[in-house]
Amino acid sequence: EPEVTQTPSHQVTQMGQEVILRCVPISNHLYFYWYRQILGQKVEFLVSFYNNEISEKSEIFDDQFSVERPDGSNFTLKIRSTKLEDSAMYFCASIRQENEKLFFGSGTQLSVL
Amino acid sequence: AQTVTQSQPEMSVQEAETVTLSCTYDTSESDYYLFWYKQPPSRQMILVIRQEAYKQQNATENRFSVNFQKAAKSFSLKISDSQLGDAAMYFCAYRQGAQKLVFGQGTRLTINP
Repeated sequence: EPEVTQTPSHQVTQMGQEVILRCVPISNHLYFYWYRQILGQKVEFLVSFYNNEISEKSEIFDDQFSVERPDGSNFTLKIRSTKLEDSAMYFCASIRQENEKLFFGSGTQLSVL
Repeated sequence: AQTVTQSQPEMSVQEAETVTLSCTYDTSESDYYLFWYKQPPSRQMILVIRQEAYKQQNATENRFSVNFQKAAKSFSLKISDSQLGDAAMYFCAYRQGAQKLVFGQGTRLTINP
């Protein structure tokens, strides 16, 4: 089965630093998403991306967050100035079209110290 | 806004027995999808089963089946012949088209040998 690939699997950073989380969605997929999950809590939607632009974002996705699909294969989430409360597992996901299965990556565990 | 509620934070079952996890949701839409995801300690998101709202027949996948009650907005997951490998967090989720997944709070399932 095809896979969504996320790198790195673990990222440790200092508060205030910028981090970029990387995702390679499945090649023929058109819709892309970032979710996050704080340890012990539910999975929360951050942002969706379609046709090279953000289609929806949550209240969590403030000015500190941005997404890019720079080269047609990678899909990145940038946090400009990390806070302690950004510590979470970040999941990338993609789907080809709306009635099909959503594929999740295995996640990047971000720890902000 | 759509919401998903899982009222059982924890459930336990004896190995080989049957367990049912509850989920209710709220939406004004008529066409949508419902999902159950399994999250083992690795924190990977694994799709267990999905249900299209327009289908009256309940979805089944081997030992996993759902009881979908559209009018009541209820979507429970039944696991038959529980196995030790079924121990995990289970999340109920809702999606309309290619829009975001909305997750419930999760139910931690323990299997007693």
